[in-house]
Amino acid sequence: DVKVTQSSRYLVKRTGEKVFLECVQDMDHENMFWYRQDPGLGLRLIYFSYDVKMKEKGDIPEGYSVSREKKERFSLILESASTNQTSMYLCASSITGTGSYNEQFFGPGTRLTVL
Amino acid sequence: AQSVTQLDSHVSVSEGTPVLLRCNYSSSYSPSLFWYVQHPNKGLQLLLKYTSAATLVKGINGFEAEFKKSETSFHLTKPSAHMSDAAEYFCVVSDEWGFQKLVFGTGTRLLVSP
Repeated sequence: DVKVTQSSRYLVKRTGEKVFLECVQDMDHENMFWYRQDPGLGLRLIYFSYDVKMKEKGDIPEGYSVSREKKERFSLILESASTNQTSMYLCASSITGTGSYNEQFFGPGTRLTVL
Repeated sequence: AQSVTQLDSHVSVSEGTPVLLRCNYSSSYSPSLFWYVQHPNKGLQLLLKYTSAATLVKGINGFEAEFKKSETSFHLTKPSAHMSDAAEYFCVVSDEWGFQKLVFGTGTRLLVSP
């Protein structure tokens, strides 16, 4: 069964702290994604990666960075956490297919609160 | 750029009555379209997908959606709601082919009353 895991379900941090969110997938997928989910806004793409050590900015990359040193692991980094980064963070992965079928598999999410 | 509009932020139905969640899309090419569901405190799960095969797509748990190009719509339906259907539903369109990006709607919360 496909599986995407995230290191924490709930996280509380203080303003200015450096925060690491970890995501691991066991499906050998090429593509990995980080989203944030806020009420009324749906999911917004922060960063994605289509290969090891490759990364691309999504729609809202400001204040975030990412790291992908191994194929199965994709980390989201908040260099200096701020209260407006309080949100639910979702990680996803997908395979690179030759057709237009782009199903993504999601982790359970990390609810981050920045005080 | 591709986009989706979910026309209702909340939909309330009674158990046993039909469900209709509305979605309109905008795409400059032939898109892939998806519906995902998110139950409370759970990750997103794929309900169904359209990938230019049959226009009527059947998904899990009795849901289905019909792709209507002339109306740029991809509405989600179910003949009879169950209490366990209460969740948030997201209509999604594929963005750039190749990098597998998806564009999400803002979500519709389905409430099911006994």
